[in-house]
Amino acid sequence: EVQLVESGGGLVQPGGSLRLSCAASGFTFSTYDMHWVRQVTGKGLEWVSGIDSAGESYYPGSVKGRFTISRENAKNTLYLQMNSLRAGDTAVYYCARETDGGSFDPWGQGTLVTVSS
Amino acid sequence: QSALTQPASVSGSPGQSVTISCTGTSSDVGSYNLVSWYQHHPGKAPKLMIYEVSKRPSGVSNRFSGSKSGNTASLTISGLQAEDEADFYCFSYAGSSIWVFGGGTKLTVL
Repeated sequence: EVQLVESGGGLVQPGGSLRLSCAASGFTFSTYDMHWVRQVTGKGLEWVSGIDSAGESYYPGSVKGRFTISRENAKNTLYLQMNSLRAGDTAVYYCARETDGGSFDPWGQGTLVTVSS
Repeated sequence: QSALTQPASVSGSPGQSVTISCTGTSSDVGSYNLVSWYQHHPGKAPKLMIYEVSKRPSGVSNRFSGSKSGNTASLTISGLQAEDEADFYCFSYAGSSIWVFGGGTKLTVL
């Protein structure tokens, strides 16, 4: 069964850092592009970052320079290093596998990040 | 890159059909047939319903269909059922390895 399981969420102070992990199983992780998506409570989904199978990474302007996506293929794990966190980064963070036509399937269950003093 | 525009809410009675629109620009929806749709029940993982504008993944009911005209993509749900009630999001490639979601539409089954 193809599965993604996120971990690493929690409470962090403004200006702090946090690293999220996403453990993949059931497929050849190294051959797929992977992504992070977040949902602020009461708001919509927002694409946060992507990394291709070669390790090239991509970000929207809202997180560029603060967030870093990476992957460790030997451990079938995707990471999101988040620095200079702000209250507006409080959200549930999902990892997702990119598949046909740039669609995302499956998604993990998400991990909650709360940025507050 | 701005979010794609979706209606905040739509509703329909069981058995009816509803259509959710997703309006982008000539830089995203209008330029690429890389539009997908996701169903999201609160507290659960989003689920892929449509990819590449109109293709259905294995296991997704044929009551769900997608289309595109110009800068606007659409998701149609026919034969509405109570379990269809959820939030729906469109998603498109916007060039230069950038991706963008729609703002989301809450579907209510009356």
